[in-house]
Amino acid sequence: KAGVTQTPRYLIKTRGQQVTLSCSPISGHRSVSWYQQTPGQGLQFLFEYFSETQRNKGNFPGRFSGRQFSNSRSEMNVSTLELGDSALYLCASSLRMGEGYTFGSGTRLTVV
Amino acid sequence: SQQGEEDPQALSIQEGENATMNCSYKTSINNLQWYRQNSGRGLVHLILIRSNEREKHSGRLRVTLDTSKKSSSLLITASRAADTASYFCATDGGATNKLIFGTGTLLAVQP
Repeated sequence: KAGVTQTPRYLIKTRGQQVTLSCSPISGHRSVSWYQQTPGQGLQFLFEYFSETQRNKGNFPGRFSGRQFSNSRSEMNVSTLELGDSALYLCASSLRMGEGYTFGSGTRLTVV
Repeated sequence: SQQGEEDPQALSIQEGENATMNCSYKTSINNLQWYRQNSGRGLVHLILIRSNEREKHSGRLRVTLDTSKKSSSLLITASRAADTASYFCATDGGATNKLIFGTGTLLAVQP
């Protein structure tokens, strides 16, 4: 079966712009989580959605937002980009929250 | 801050040797999971151990969990060059089910 698909794979944006990243989970998976990975901070939890509802949220500013659609596909949005937002953004899906996540290959965002 | 701390931060061994990585966490958990990441790509789920289990095996992997010490270890036996990767433990945060990752161990297996 198809894995978790993240688009785009690479993105270069300018400070102050906004960006939307997309994630298509494994068919049947209703939980979708987002993570930010940087060399300095490691893997940081952004948020998790289950059945279109945000169930958990990490310690990120309100510039970071997300949503989940009825087909479980998810998007995350970052507004007013800062240089420090440059990172690998990973999406993961699972059947049940908290267990056995399958990760996508990530979107590498560079803010210049 | 991240819930899990891993030790060592980096480990270099020869092919055929065993590799052991340790993870400590701070709060109660329902389960603890180990993931592997190759060179900045997505993570791959390796194994999950529940809070009422003490040891679990999967192929060349052996995981132990000590909830009284809030610690876990991952043992990779007979390592191969292809095992070279970063390994992360992750805990589900107990009631929140929020998956929080440790700092990771970078394993290099020399051929």
